[in-house]
Amino acid sequence: QKEVEQNSGPLSVPEGAIASLNCTYSDRGSQSFFWYRQYSGKSPELIMFIYSNGDKEDGRFTAQLNKASQYVSLLIRDSQPSDSATYLCAVGAGSYQLTFGKGTKLSVIP
Amino acid sequence: DAGVIQSPRHEVTEMGQEVTLRCKPISGHDYLFWYRQTMMRGLELLIYFNNNVPIDDSGMPEDRFSAKMPNASFSTLKIQPSEPRDSAVYFCASSFSPRDNEQFFGPGTRLTVL
Repeated sequence: QKEVEQNSGPLSVPEGAIASLNCTYSDRGSQSFFWYRQYSGKSPELIMFIYSNGDKEDGRFTAQLNKASQYVSLLIRDSQPSDSATYLCAVGAGSYQLTFGKGTKLSVIP
Repeated sequence: DAGVIQSPRHEVTEMGQEVTLRCKPISGHDYLFWYRQTMMRGLELLIYFNNNVPIDDSGMPEDRFSAKMPNASFSTLKIQPSEPRDSAVYFCASSFSPRDNEQFFGPGTRLTVL
């Protein structure tokens, strides 16, 4: 069974700091990796995706992938209170299905 | 585009009643996914369609659940009879990115079964 593991948190960081969110997955055949943000009471919203080993940057967000270690992370630089949400890691294995982790709750303290 | 549309947004029903959730995917998207989200189990894929055809329904919890997609712009998820343990938020998502697997989620339906 494919599993995606995340620390449930909450992860608390001060405003302006770097928030680091981590995710591990069990299926070595996984090919695509996504980070979704979900505000309380709202639907998941895609913020980053990555396919290749290494780093991918988009504004304040950086996704990091290490397939050998089956590890993907999301860094949020200059964290803002508006970043406070639950972050879901999702992994795809090429069949258009995604397996989601349970999410890490991030709280950015002003 | 208006995004993925779901109705109703909230549903409260009594155990044993039939519940029908509705979804309109983004126009042009050829994949449609039904998810259920609970605190305990997180976001779980129930079933997904490609070009209106069910591809994988292995996530459907039991025979009380059924899903249809009669055309490219409409899908339903039906629970009959409903039970309290079905209480959850049900999301519909659609995609048209064979490479990116980028899924766009609807606002969800919060179902409460008393």
